[in-house]
Amino acid sequence: EDQVTQSPEALRLQEGESSSLNCSYTVSGLRGLFWYRQDPGKGPEFLFTLYSAGEEKEKERLKATLTKKESFLHITAPKPEDSATYLCAVQGFGNEKLTFGTGTRLTIIP
Amino acid sequence: EAQVTQNPRYLITVTGKKLTVTCSQNMNHEYMSWYRQDPGLGLRQIYYSMNVEVTDKGDVPEGYKVSRKEKRNFPLILESPSPNQTSLYFCASSPSGPLAEQYFGPGTRLTVT
Repeated sequence: EDQVTQSPEALRLQEGESSSLNCSYTVSGLRGLFWYRQDPGKGPEFLFTLYSAGEEKEKERLKATLTKKESFLHITAPKPEDSATYLCAVQGFGNEKLTFGTGTRLTIIP
Repeated sequence: EAQVTQNPRYLITVTGKKLTVTCSQNMNHEYMSWYRQDPGLGLRQIYYSMNVEVTDKGDVPEGYKVSRKEKRNFPLILESPSPNQTSLYFCASSPSGPLAEQYFGPGTRLTVT
């Protein structure tokens, strides 16, 4: 059974204070690891897909990296508008569904 | 505008009263899916559909039914709702499967008393 564990559950940062969110996973053959952003009262919004260890993707102040056991979402010089819950999910070989973690709630204080 | 719509957005109902939550997408996507989101449990998949007339169970299908008669619509049916189905429900679609970017609807908050 695929499993995803995200840490920390919540993170408060000052504006401009860089940090990383962690997503640890177990899956029988990784097809893809996904990062989504969710704002309060809204549906998740896609950020990245990573397919293999060593892969990195960037978007504005966000950079996602992947190893064989975990993924990190690095946030550089965050702004208040980066405040959201960040969700990690995996898809393993042999199934057509995603398994999500419980998310990290990020708050950026001006 | 490309979007996934869900109706209703909010619903309070009583135990045992059948209800349907509609989901529609205007992007000609093949793949559609339903999730429920509960505090501390995250997003869990209920059912998904790879194409018209093709549906399959996700992780928590008990108490739910779906149908995919048209590509754009994927309704979620609760034939006899119970209080443990009180949750926030999301519909999502993607062009070709979960490996592609999924577009989520705005959510339906369901309360069963």
